[in-house]
Amino acid sequence: KAGVTQTPRYLIKTRGQQVTLSCSPISGHRSVSWYQQTPGQGLQFLFEYFSETQRNKGNFPGRFSGRQFSNSRSEMNVSTLELGDSALYLCASSRLLAGRKETQYFGPGTRLLVL
Amino acid sequence: TQLLEQSPQFLSIQEGENLTVYCNSSSVFSSLQWYRQEPGEGPVLLVTVVTGGEVKKLKRLTFQFGDARKDSSLHITAAQPGDTGLYLCAGLNNAGNMLTFGGGTRLMVKP
Repeated sequence: KAGVTQTPRYLIKTRGQQVTLSCSPISGHRSVSWYQQTPGQGLQFLFEYFSETQRNKGNFPGRFSGRQFSNSRSEMNVSTLELGDSALYLCASSRLLAGRKETQYFGPGTRLLVL
Repeated sequence: TQLLEQSPQFLSIQEGENLTVYCNSSSVFSSLQWYRQEPGEGPVLLVTVVTGGEVKKLKRLTFQFGDARKDSSLHITAAQPGDTGLYLCAGLNNAGNMLTFGGGTRLMVKP
């Protein structure tokens, strides 16, 4: 079974631009979570989508947004990029059982560099 | 907000040595997961512990969940260079909808 895929793997942008990252979950997984990983802050939760609806949201500004499509693929968007947005963005998919997350499987991440 | 503190942050040891990584919180978690992440890759799940006091072994790795389900430890026996990586603990809240990660322990095992 194919794992979680993320595109692109690497991205360089300049301040003020916007970026869209894509995540395809494991087949049959309808929950997709996004995380930001930086050396200083570690892995921080951005948001989770399930059945095209945002189920949970972390403490990130409104510049960070996401969506999920009917095939469970998800995208996240960051507008008006800042230098501090440089990070590894990880996507994880899982099944939900009675509303509870089962094991999360992570993709390889998209490394974003903002200049 | 639930927080998980991992220690140590960095660990550099020689091949063959033993080590323990700790994951502590003041909050109770319904389960605790341990991941290993290698450069350029996403975290890979090693184990999930669910019951207070539970001990799980994965070859040379031993994972323990505290009795009160607030802390966990990972012990590696006779570390090998292939164990090098970033080890992350993550706690699942009682509602089962939020996973909180610790800051990670970066392990380097020198041959």
